[in-house]
Amino acid sequence: DGGITQSPKYLFRKEGQNVTLSCEQNLNHDAMYWYRQDPGQGLRLIYYSQIVNDFQKGDIAEGYSVSREKKESFPLTVTSAQKNPTAFYLCASSIGLGGGEETQYFGPGTRLLVL
Amino acid sequence: QKEVEQNSGPLSVPEGAIASLNCTYSDRGSQSFFWYRQYSGKSPELIMFIYSNGDKEDGRFTAQLNKASQYVSLLIRDSQPSDSATYLCAVNGEYGNKLVFGAGTILRVKS
Repeated sequence: DGGITQSPKYLFRKEGQNVTLSCEQNLNHDAMYWYRQDPGQGLRLIYYSQIVNDFQKGDIAEGYSVSREKKESFPLTVTSAQKNPTAFYLCASSIGLGGGEETQYFGPGTRLLVL
Repeated sequence: QKEVEQNSGPLSVPEGAIASLNCTYSDRGSQSFFWYRQYSGKSPELIMFIYSNGDKEDGRFTAQLNKASQYVSLLIRDSQPSDSATYLCAVNGEYGNKLVFGAGTILRVKS
């Protein structure tokens, strides 16, 4: 089965701690994305990557970091600099970034809570 | 800043009725338009996309696009309680631009 997996489903962060959220896809998609969703709000783009070893900041990148060492994987690290990290984090992928290839498919999400 | 606006709702319709969800966007250069459904606590799932002016039908769902007026709508015929969810509109611009999501409209279908 092709799809996107995210782990863990729930993640608890202590004060001053960095945590990493996993995102893996076996759809052979080139582009991957990380979004943050707060209650009652839409999706806000954190980072995206069009190709391996390349990524760009989205609208709310401060306090987050990513890597794209493999086509299948796009992990997101929430650093201690992110002061309000409690949210639902969604990973998505698409064939490309436009020209009819931009349809995004989402993983099941990770809910991050601060202790 | 490109914007996508949706009425937050909730929009309440009786079972079997037509639900009409609307979305307006600010970027005249936008070229592709998407509707996603999101159940509470779950991730968004794609319902349909539309690129050209007019209507596109898929089962009980019809997407309508009017680029001149900069709005896109989603009609759900024969609404069912299982359609109760938040519906997200997403818009893309020129090649290389990212999807911009609206905040979503909550739909409640009452049996």
